[in-house]
Amino acid sequence: DAGVTQSPTHLIKTRGQQVTLRCSPKSGHDTVSWYQQALGQGPQFIFQYYEEEERQRGNFPDRFSGHQFPNYSSELNVNALLLGDSALYLCASSARGSNYGYTFGSGTRLTVV
Amino acid sequence: KQEVTQIPAALSVPEGENLVLNCSFTDSAIYNLQWFRQDPGKGLTSLLLIQSSQREQTSGRLNASLDKSSGRSTLYIAASQPGDSATYLCAVYTGGFKTIFGAGTRLFVKA
Repeated sequence: DAGVTQSPTHLIKTRGQQVTLRCSPKSGHDTVSWYQQALGQGPQFIFQYYEEEERQRGNFPDRFSGHQFPNYSSELNVNALLLGDSALYLCASSARGSNYGYTFGSGTRLTVV
Repeated sequence: KQEVTQIPAALSVPEGENLVLNCSFTDSAIYNLQWFRQDPGKGLTSLLLIQSSQREQTSGRLNASLDKSSGRSTLYIAASQPGDSATYLCAVYTGGFKTIFGAGTRLFVKA
């Protein structure tokens, strides 16, 4: 049973560029959440998608946007990259209405130079 | 606003020692609390999930307790091993759409 799959694993971008990160949720899960984790910090909530809609958003600017597809997979897009966007981006999936916690992917390490 | 704090931020212990990691949260109205392990540069691996109605959960050498009224959870690791070296994060789910994480405790177990 495949868990949460994220791609790519590593990425290097230049300031001002745009990036798209991808996530496939665990089988049976329909909700995807994205987190940003800076070095030495806990994950910070970016937003969550359910039924192809953004349901709630953390304290992140509009440069961060996302999408969820009918098969529940999701993308995170970041425009006009800043050096401070360098971080590990984590995708977590869960089953809506379930109280059984989250399953995380291995993350995408984004480096902005 | 829910805030999650983990103490200590870092811990170094000799192999074989029993240890306790602490997690506190400011709003007791939680649905569940989850403990994760994170190896350097990697994603999060779920260790234990405690529902709000439960007091503790056990898995192998790990035991997690939850005291909602005082806003605290502890993760007990028995007979620590070098392979336990990692960052341990706790996260609380308060309903709605997001989970709030602590900053983690970095554990190093010396052989």
